[in-house]
Amino acid sequence: DIQMTQSPSTLSASVGDRVTITCRASQSISTWLAWYQQKPGKAPNLLIYKASSLESGVPSRFSGSGSGTEFTLTISSLQPDDFATYYCQQYNSYPYTFGQGTKLEIK
Amino acid sequence: QVQLQESGPGLVKPSQTLSLTCTVSGGSMTIGGQYWTWIRQHPGEGLEWIGNIYYSGSTDYNPSLKSRVTISVDTSKNQFSLKLSSVTAADTAVYYCARVGFTPTARGWFDPWGQGTLVTVSS
Repeated sequence: DIQMTQSPSTLSASVGDRVTITCRASQSISTWLAWYQQKPGKAPNLLIYKASSLESGVPSRFSGSGSGTEFTLTISSLQPDDFATYYCQQYNSYPYTFGQGTKLEIK
Repeated sequence: QVQLQESGPGLVKPSQTLSLTCTVSGGSMTIGGQYWTWIRQHPGEGLEWIGNIYYSGSTDYNPSLKSRVTISVDTSKNQFSLKLSSVTAADTAVYYCARVGFTPTARGWFDPWGQGTLVTVSS
């Protein structure tokens, strides 16, 4: 199985900050990577697919980059609605696997 | 737009079979050759992919669960289902159904998701 490792596990930031979350794959996954946002008690919501393609309706302050084994999710200017947990997911090969999550907290 | 809704018992006894159904609304399951999936999330933990099903009925399962999982589809009802046998407390989780996102060259992300349903395994 491909292991996905996110860092940091927890991130404290303020409204207006620029934040970056990193996701590393245990082997190359090309650009077959998605990012999700999850709020407490809710299902995850797709933000980005194919490493950098922004899902329709997702604010442009979210962006993704990377290829191979290292990927980043960047939020250019944090808004109050962005405090949540973020997951990466690889779909290069079965079984699809997720990172352990990064909880974005208000500083 | 497509919406998904999970349904099924919220409490299952150990050693029994967990059975859930996902009802798809807002569009046909068969249009565009779509795949559908089940994912679970243990309380307070991360996400685990369970398996995919194509509208034709072909499946792919997570090897960690393959011996206990069956995913099936009923296109006449626009539904697909999950069965997980011989459950233990370790199968207590929120179970989500979702559509597998695709383009002409790739598939594998999940969107949209159902709201999720908590299944507790306890006697």
